[in-house]
Amino acid sequence: AQSVTQLGSHVSVSEGALVLLRCNYSSSVPPYLFWYVQYPNQGLQLLLKYTTGATLVKGINGFEAEFKKSETSFHLTKPSAHMSDAAEYFCAVSGDGSTLGRLYFGRGTQLTVWP
Amino acid sequence: GAVVSQHPSRVICKSGTSVKIECRSLDFQATTMFWYRQFPKQSLMLMATSNEGSKATYEQGVEKDKFLINHASLTLSTLTVTSAHPEDSSFYICSARDRPEGYNSPLHFGNGTRLTVT
Repeated sequence: AQSVTQLGSHVSVSEGALVLLRCNYSSSVPPYLFWYVQYPNQGLQLLLKYTTGATLVKGINGFEAEFKKSETSFHLTKPSAHMSDAAEYFCAVSGDGSTLGRLYFGRGTQLTVWP
Repeated sequence: GAVVSQHPSRVICKSGTSVKIECRSLDFQATTMFWYRQFPKQSLMLMATSNEGSKATYEQGVEKDKFLINHASLTLSTLTVTSAHPEDSSFYICSARDRPEGYNSPLHFGNGTRLTVT
């Protein structure tokens, strides 16, 4: 069964600092992996995705993530945080077999950016 | 493109009444839509998969009679919370994929519905 673990429910950084949000997954097959961002009282917006090919994936707003199969990780990074990056971030893994097509989410990481 | 519209954005109802939430794909057809529930400060929990023209598939632990799902057309799915109780208060979000067969393609999400049962 697929599952996602996001280490750290809260991450705080200063504006301009590196952002690192951790995500580890478990999957019985090569997964499709996604990062979404959620602003208060809104739906989710896709940041980036990994399906196949290049393991370093670039997304919107300067975010990128690297798929590391050996570590079963898909950590999200951004070199320089901006105040507007403050939001909830969710890592998700695709289902397989009978759950193909579904997405399963981690618990989320709240990013706070200090001025 | 690939916009999912959800209505209403907020609803307050009295305990015992029913509430209907609509989810529409505005610029694509969605044979499958997904309904999620999100508790405060928690992740999204998949409730059910809505299938156009057939019965919805519910996740384990989700009451089918409590959360009625209808997917009558390729652009509309509805979730009805029947006989709502305060514990049903939550944030409900629908989503759809603009390419049903593209399991590696992302889900597009509505903006959610904040349900408060008093």
